[in-house]
Amino acid sequence: EAGVTQSPTHLIKTRGQQATLRCSPISGHTSVYWYQQALGLGLQFLLWYDEGEERNRGNFPPRFSGRQFPNYSSELNVNALELEDSALYLCASSLTDKTYEQYFGPGTRLTVT
Amino acid sequence: QQPVQSPQAVILREGEDAVINCSSSKALYSVHWYRQKHGEAPVFLMILLKGGEQKGHEKISASFNEKKQQSSLYLTASQLSYSGTYFCGTVTYSGAGSYQLTFGKGTKLSVIP
Repeated sequence: EAGVTQSPTHLIKTRGQQATLRCSPISGHTSVYWYQQALGLGLQFLLWYDEGEERNRGNFPPRFSGRQFPNYSSELNVNALELEDSALYLCASSLTDKTYEQYFGPGTRLTVT
Repeated sequence: QQPVQSPQAVILREGEDAVINCSSSKALYSVHWYRQKHGEAPVFLMILLKGGEQKGHEKISASFNEKKQQSSLYLTASQLSYSGTYFCGTVTYSGAGSYQLTFGKGTKLSVIP
């Protein structure tokens, strides 16, 4: 069974640009979560999508947004990139809600210059 | 509110035991434990639900004290493969029928020969 996949692996952008990150969950999983992992800050919760709807979001500005498609894949958009947005962005999926274990993808390393 | 993990880092010799603690200031619905090896995505270890249960997997087990809003991860007879950063994730009710999973900053565990 294929795990969670993310693309691209690496992304280099300049300040002010927009970045789009993509995630495909494990087959049968309807929930997708996005996390930001910056050095020394652990896993910071960004967004949670389930059945195509945004269920919850973390303490991030509105320029972090996303969506979930009918096939449960998801994309994360970051507008007006800032240097401090440089981080590893991890996507995870689970069966339904947060009572179930989450399976993480390999991540997208975003570098903003 | 981000849970607090302790210690921040620990170095063990093979065969030694370790305890990693996770505490929250909010009432907990459940607690997740994950391990992330360097350069890899976090991997689910176990989930503990309300009820103060203790779960185990081989030589790694965990407990959940609902009243104290704490969880502890126990690693016995540590092996080199246990090295990595351990994250606890606490699930709390965030209102409107929604739950929030928040990760701690992690505990870096290094096992040396």
